[in-house]
Amino acid sequence: QKEVEQDPGPLSVPEGAIVSLNCTYSNSAFQYFMWYRQYSRKGPELLMYTYSSGNKEDGRFTAQVDKSSKYISLFIRDSQPSDSATYLCAMSARSGGYQKVTFGTGTKLQVIP
Amino acid sequence: DADVTQTPRNRITKTGKRIMLECSQTKGHDRMYWYRQDPGLGLRLIYYSFDVKDINKGEISDGYSVSRQAQAKFSLSLESAIPNQTALYFCATQPGRGTNEKLFFGSGTQLSVL
Repeated sequence: QKEVEQDPGPLSVPEGAIVSLNCTYSNSAFQYFMWYRQYSRKGPELLMYTYSSGNKEDGRFTAQVDKSSKYISLFIRDSQPSDSATYLCAMSARSGGYQKVTFGTGTKLQVIP
Repeated sequence: DADVTQTPRNRITKTGKRIMLECSQTKGHDRMYWYRQDPGLGLRLIYYSFDVKDINKGEISDGYSVSRQAQAKFSLSLESAIPNQTALYFCATQPGRGTNEKLFFGSGTQLSVL
């Protein structure tokens, strides 16, 4: 079983829809939770970063962490065609003296105008 | 803007050839990483370095080697390339102070081994 599970999609939604992206994990040692966005042929870029359980909002994006259920989510409100990308969840735990980051496989999102 | 630059952007090579992928950064970060990305497998760590004298193997280091020439430069070598090393390769940096886990990625090198 992978430490981090993420539905690969693809997910196709109309412009203006609310998008929900999710990851589950099995390692209870994970402390930091992140979402990266990756456009085609580009490197991933950090979108959201959280430490504790609960919600964190940044503009149209909300990251949610539920440590008791080992479940994290990213919500995108009023989705735009420019949001079309692959979204990678990532989480980190202390390992061998540093915070080791483990990535999900990514969910490909397409927002249709 | 401070950046992470990877060269080349694309590379096609033949089985058995030795190749080098290069990464340089102007972010002033101490930590540098090499990942490969494959469809359905996500990002997997090949090697990482916390400073010029500290280099460590990641989860899939077999068939690869690295060199940290300076704080700003970290290169990845494939000594004898094989087709299953065809992948998208990313270099990433991290500040390395405190507990900041944020990774900053380059634009990647698409490698094809024929």
